[in-house]
Amino acid sequence: GAVVSQHPSRVICKSGTSVKIECRSLDFQATTMFWYRQFPKQSLMLMATSNEGSKATYEQGVEKDKFLINHASLTLSTLTVTSAHPEDSSFYICSAIQTGSVFEQYFGPGTRLTVT
Amino acid sequence: KQEVTQIPAALSVPEGENLVLNCSFTDSAIYNLQWFRQDPGKGLTSLLLIQSSQREQTSGRLNASLDKSSGRSTLYIAASQPGDSATYLCAASKAAGNKLTFGGGTRVLVKP
Repeated sequence: GAVVSQHPSRVICKSGTSVKIECRSLDFQATTMFWYRQFPKQSLMLMATSNEGSKATYEQGVEKDKFLINHASLTLSTLTVTSAHPEDSSFYICSAIQTGSVFEQYFGPGTRLTVT
Repeated sequence: KQEVTQIPAALSVPEGENLVLNCSFTDSAIYNLQWFRQDPGKGLTSLLLIQSSQREQTSGRLNASLDKSSGRSTLYIAASQPGDSATYLCAASKAAGNKLTFGGGTRVLVKP
């Protein structure tokens, strides 16, 4: 149980275009999901907290107009990178919280974004 | 602001040796602490979660301890195997359902 999927696993897009990444909790409902970014040989950095039915909360330094987050249902959150640039190339990972006594976070397999 | 540090950044051991991975955090007011494994180019696999009220958790060859007062957690991997080669990350959460703050990770290589 507690499986989180991401789609696509890899995407290559041209500079200036937008790309959407989906994060789904497959066997549980997730009121809260998180989006992280990981650059090569670095740790995960939180970008934003996604709450079902409300606006996302962005971390300091993350442009909310560039990284659009929508959490329209209890099992799906999407991250749209708008007007992508090569410096947006990174590994994007989402996580979902299974509510309960320990509130453990379960992570998706990640999406490798390459902007050419 | 919580800061999580993992030392060393990289570790190489011969097969069979026990691994000791360290994680320290600056704010002892944590809700829980998780240890993860990450293989190259892959997502995170949760290994152990320790609640703030617990002192340790065990799963197979893995044992994680938590000392809130000193701001430390240690992951022990007994009798290491080449398949244990990966990056190990620790992360602390401040409250239930809250975001995780990650350490920089320890890259482990177990040599056959």
